[in-house]
Amino acid sequence: EDQVTQSPEALRLQEGESSSLNCSYTVSGLRGLFWYRQDPGKGPEFLFTLYSAGEEKEKERLKATLTKKESFLHITAPKPEDSATYLCAVYHASGGSYIPTFGRGTSLIVHP
Amino acid sequence: GAGVSQSPRYKVAKRGQDVALRCDPISGHVSLFWYQQALGQGPEFLTYFQNEAQLDKSGLPSDRFFAERPEGSVSTLKIQRTQQEDSAVYLCASSQRHSGTGSQGYTFGSGTRLTVV
Repeated sequence: EDQVTQSPEALRLQEGESSSLNCSYTVSGLRGLFWYRQDPGKGPEFLFTLYSAGEEKEKERLKATLTKKESFLHITAPKPEDSATYLCAVYHASGGSYIPTFGRGTSLIVHP
Repeated sequence: GAGVSQSPRYKVAKRGQDVALRCDPISGHVSLFWYQQALGQGPEFLTYFQNEAQLDKSGLPSDRFFAERPEGSVSTLKIQRTQQEDSAVYLCASSQRHSGTGSQGYTFGSGTRLTVV
């Protein structure tokens, strides 16, 4: 059973066309939700951590929100340099440890 | 260094060969994670260290996979008798806090791309 599901798998936008990426999760005991950006050939780069429902974080054209079952990454007026894969990870209890579990990501392409 | 360093950057191994992948975390970082990322997929958890202690190895896919962090800094992921299904990018991440909590998340290296032929 998938614990973290991201949608859509791929998204193509025109420059300036705002949209949202979704991350839904089914884990219990959520301790935090992370958003990362991954460029080709590189490791994921940290964007945000959200801890509780109703929380919001912003960075430039990106805004992340969290509910009890899902998180959204809103991209306002995107630019071509925002093209990347966006990964969501939920931080929850797994056995005796707290381990981040990643979704498969959303591949975003922004056309000029 | 300022970031997490992984070596080699690329590794081509013949099936059945043993490989060792190295991770140099950020100095002073307590937590260290290894992930496996197949093409087009998200990172899959392999194992977690807190200092030199391996607290969770539930994600290691078989007993051919072994990880160590003997002095609580550099870590090595070893894969014995490599198989084609082991081909993937192996990512290392570190965090300064126990269990990797904290508002800054984890810092990832660029990974080692392993191709088994």
